[in-house]
Amino acid sequence: KNQVEQSPQSLIILEGKNCTLQCNYTVSPFSNLRWYKQDTGRGPVSLTIMTFSENTKSNGRYTATLDADTKQSSLHITASQLSDSASYICVVGPTSGTYKYIFGTGTRLKVLA
Amino acid sequence: DADVTQTPRNRITKTGKRIMLECSQTKGHDRMYWYRQDPGLGLRLIYYSFDVKDINKGEISDGYSVSRQAQAKFSLSLESAIPNQTALYFCATSDAGQTAGEQYFGPGTRLTVT
Repeated sequence: KNQVEQSPQSLIILEGKNCTLQCNYTVSPFSNLRWYKQDTGRGPVSLTIMTFSENTKSNGRYTATLDADTKQSSLHITASQLSDSASYICVVGPTSGTYKYIFGTGTRLKVLA
Repeated sequence: DADVTQTPRNRITKTGKRIMLECSQTKGHDRMYWYRQDPGLGLRLIYYSFDVKDINKGEISDGYSVSRQAQAKFSLSLESAIPNQTALYFCATSDAGQTAGEQYFGPGTRLTVT
């Protein structure tokens, strides 16, 4: 069964600190892996998109990595800000020959002053 | 103005009522999607449409129907709402020409069925 699992479920850090969120997947093959940020009460917004052949992608203070051999991805947030408080969702897809995207359940990050 | 809009943003309805959620987009994308989000679960696909004449069921389509009135409009209907359809509903769009398959989400509709 195609799955995307994220850890930790929730995380609290102090402003200015770095953190790393994990995503393990069993989906194969697929076109790309994405990380989304979802603020409370809002729709997800894309942070990074990587094809299965890419190892890393950055977007400002956000850096995503992908290890296709171990089927793991991580999202590293540098010098966290209060505005980083949100849920971060890992999405894998579309799976080969389909429309389907597999969504993880997300990691809820809270940044404290 | 937002590229993907959803109406209403919040709705409370009673069991057995018919309700329609609407989605409009100004991105000019061919592909539109309806998802629901429940606590502790990832977003799940209800229906998707790759153009006006192409509508397909997703993984949890039972109890829902859709209408693609135009390229820019995609509506989701609950014919007879039930409490376990209480959830956050998102519309999304993507451009068929983009190989990366970027999806753009609306702000969501919070639906409560009592």
